Amino acid sequence: RKEVEQDPGPFNVPEGATVAFNCTYSNSASQSFFWYRQDCRKEPKLLMSVYSSGNEDGRFTAQLNRASQYISLLIRDSKLSDSATYLCVVPPSNTGKLIFGQGTTLQVKP
Amino acid sequence: NAGVTQTPKFRILKIGQSMTLQCTQDMNHNYMYWYRQDPGMGLKLIYYSVGAGITDKGEVPNGYNVSRSTTEDFPLRLELAAPSQTSVYFCASGGRAVGSSSYNEQFFGPGTRLTVL
Repeated sequence: RKEVEQDPGPFNVPEGATVAFNCTYSNSASQSFFWYRQDCRKEPKLLMSVYSSGNEDGRFTAQLNRASQYISLLIRDSKLSDSATYLCVVPPSNTGKLIFGQGTTLQVKP
Repeated sequence: NAGVTQTPKFRILKIGQSMTLQCTQDMNHNYMYWYRQDPGMGLKLIYYSVGAGITDKGEVPNGYNVSRSTTEDFPLRLELAAPSQTSVYFCASGGRAVGSSSYNEQFFGPGTRLTVL
């Protein structure tokens, strides 16, 4: 099993739709979880940290499911500007070796 | 704070040439990383460092070398450039609080776009 796995998509959704992505991870000891956003040809930027109790920031909600070893990102009321690639990072607990998932591409259509 | 800076922004190399990609951070982060991203693909970890004087291999280290003599700088060296090394290279820094198992977010530089012909 890969350390971090994401469905590459693309997810094509209309404006206003709700869309969710999952990211599965293999290291059950991981303590930190992050979602990053990457626009075309730009550097990734932090979107949300994921806490054990979940995390909500406006239209974005991140959840952690330790039992099934995945994190999720929910985007409500999608905007055209949400079109991007969403990357998850699940750092291992004892090393600095940070591996990114391959990313999920979202295209929001008018 | 400038954050993470990378130079150069663009570079074209001929096969067999060598070059060093520079990366500097001014946030006093202990962890630094080099990733490459091929068109339409995800980020692949090349090398990382958990502190000055300590480096380790990532997923795709072959053809690259790194050094970490200071907290701020983490240069990436390509010794014999090959077309397969055509990619966008991102440097990132982050950290982990002393005594904590949690990581802080990573900050990325703007990237170096390298073409090997």
